[in-house]
Amino acid sequence: GQQLNQSPQSMFIQEGEDVSMNCTSSSIFNTWLWYKQDPGEGPVLLIALYKAGELTSNGRLTAQFGITRKDSFLNISASIPSDVGIYFCAGLTNQGGKLIFGQGTELSVKP
Amino acid sequence: DGGITQSPKYLFRKEGQNVTLSCEQNLNHDAMYWYRQDPGQGLRLIYYSQIVNDFQKGDIAEGYSVSREKKESFPLTVTSAQKNPTAFYLCASSYPGTASVEAFFGQGTRLTVV
Repeated sequence: GQQLNQSPQSMFIQEGEDVSMNCTSSSIFNTWLWYKQDPGEGPVLLIALYKAGELTSNGRLTAQFGITRKDSFLNISASIPSDVGIYFCAGLTNQGGKLIFGQGTELSVKP
Repeated sequence: DGGITQSPKYLFRKEGQNVTLSCEQNLNHDAMYWYRQDPGQGLRLIYYSQIVNDFQKGDIAEGYSVSREKKESFPLTVTSAQKNPTAFYLCASSYPGTASVEAFFGQGTRLTVV
């Protein structure tokens, strides 16, 4: 089936540093979504991307929809301790609206 | 407030028993999804439904069943055929096929087989 490869799996950074993570696939997606999940909770939507090449920001977060429609990245600038959590990318297929998730990137921020 | 509600938050099941997880949304969303999350893992799609009275298998449907009799509700039954049911289950809903297809999640149900 279709898969999203998300990297890195985990990151340990110092407060104030910038973070970058990405998702790639061999399949084309119509929509890319980025989520954050806190322990024991459901994921919360951060950014949605609908057009190839689109670059969207939400505060310190910036995400881009790759031109080939097969990849996306998420950047977090000037990280703070509350950025800790697991970040997931998700792609919506153009066949039947199947929403597929990457494996997640676990972010740890050292104060 | 509009949202998506999963219940219960914690569920314990004896081996060999079926159990049903509830998912209700009042967002008027057409599409609903069920995912399974294991520790340190991503979200794997179990079943999804684009409209009432219709649903499709995801990547790990074996041992699970669903129904979509109402737009607001998409219950998931974990059957005794599911050999390793202990996991965190997440339900989501979205508007498919429109300009805005963001999926929103419930708070999850943690199922433990005892």
